[in-house]
Amino acid sequence: GAVVSQHPSWVICKSGTSVKIECRSLDFQATTMFWYRQFPKQSLMLMATSNEGSKATYEQGVEKDKFLINHASLTLSTLTVTSAHPEDSSFYICSASQRYNEQFFGPGTRLTVL
Amino acid sequence: DAKTTQPPSMDCAEGRAANLPCNHSTISGNEYVYWYRQIHSQGPQYIIHGLKNNETNEMASLIITEDRKSSTLILPHATLRDTAVYYCIVRGEGGKLIFGQGTELSVKP
Repeated sequence: GAVVSQHPSWVICKSGTSVKIECRSLDFQATTMFWYRQFPKQSLMLMATSNEGSKATYEQGVEKDKFLINHASLTLSTLTVTSAHPEDSSFYICSASQRYNEQFFGPGTRLTVL
Repeated sequence: DAKTTQPPSMDCAEGRAANLPCNHSTISGNEYVYWYRQIHSQGPQYIIHGLKNNETNEMASLIITEDRKSSTLILPHATLRDTAVYYCIVRGEGGKLIFGQGTELSVKP
């Protein structure tokens, strides 16, 4: 099956700093990538959809200036959490798909903001 | 995309078949039924999907009723490693995967 990786797998940062999370499709070209957030004991919440070379589409209630998404190539998307605060601590998961086929998920990145 | 309803939790004995139900009474004709599972602190794993016909792969079988208003995911011989949260999602072609609360399956020895 298709493989999606995320880096880092976990990160701890101080309040007010920015954190970048990378999502890579390792063996296929991902025309669309998705970013999700998951709080403890809750389901995944879709944050945004990004298509290669164009601006991301954010879900209602997600601040685009706080969660910067870049999808510059067919194998890489990045999520930058700007000026992170403790309430941004969460499990961030990306997924990738090729031409609206099945989505393949990365292993997730656990962010802890102190 | 249509919403789905799943029981919050289920138990299954190791080695027995696990049958996970899902209701999607408002599904439309061009929407697929997808199943994913998430083992604790990992990303979701694709299991199977279908439109109208029953489907089977190396992981599971998907039984969709004739009116398409409900479906059942079958894990034929559940193992302890199948303990996870199972999500049933209805998705239109090119549509987003919107996760509900899923069913927490506990496989017990």
